[in-house]
Amino acid sequence: DQQVKQNSPSLSVQEGRISILNCDYTNSMFDYFLWYKKYPAEGPTFLISISSIKDKNEDGRFTVFLNKSAKHLSLHIVPSQPGDSAVYFCAAKEDSNYQLIWGAGTKLIIKP
Amino acid sequence: ETGVTQTPRHLVMGMTNKKSLKCEQHLGHNAMYWYKQSAKKPLELMFVYNFKEQTENNSVPSRFSPECPNSSHLFLHLHTLQPEDSALYLCASSQGAGLANYGYTFGSGTRLTVV
Repeated sequence: DQQVKQNSPSLSVQEGRISILNCDYTNSMFDYFLWYKKYPAEGPTFLISISSIKDKNEDGRFTVFLNKSAKHLSLHIVPSQPGDSAVYFCAAKEDSNYQLIWGAGTKLIIKP
Repeated sequence: ETGVTQTPRHLVMGMTNKKSLKCEQHLGHNAMYWYKQSAKKPLELMFVYNFKEQTENNSVPSRFSPECPNSSHLFLHLHTLQPEDSALYLCASSQGAGLANYGYTFGSGTRLTVV
């Protein structure tokens, strides 16, 4: 059973609009969440993270929101740019465990 | 050279071949990982090395054999693979496989095709 779920395999957004990528998790012991971005033929690169003691973390155009009661997090990208077209992975970890548990990824396509 | 470097970038091998994937990092990290990425599946952790010691083997078949001669190098030896082993194999490193490990640096991966 997948502990981290990204239910949308793909998402298409107009350039300049907001992109919202969603991630759900089942393990209430997760206390740290990360988003990675992956271009074709490259490895994933770290984008932004959030600790469970926060409900929001912002870095430039990227904001991650965490709703612990709903076991849900989302990544907002605004405004969306063509270079944001990539696969976005959500990952989570428990404080007592170094392993990252990954979602299946969401392919974001930014339309000009 | 900085970052995590994986070679080769692409590999086609027969089911009776023996080959090795190589990963090298010059970030001063102490933990290294092998991941498998199959189409439309989550990243699957295969092996973890922390300070050159293998700390994790996620029920990986014995036809995959890791080797970590030092904290900068990681190998994945392959033999008698199956077509379903075709995937992108990613190497990653991190500061340490401990509580302060919040992010990985990934290599570009090796695209493996087993024929």
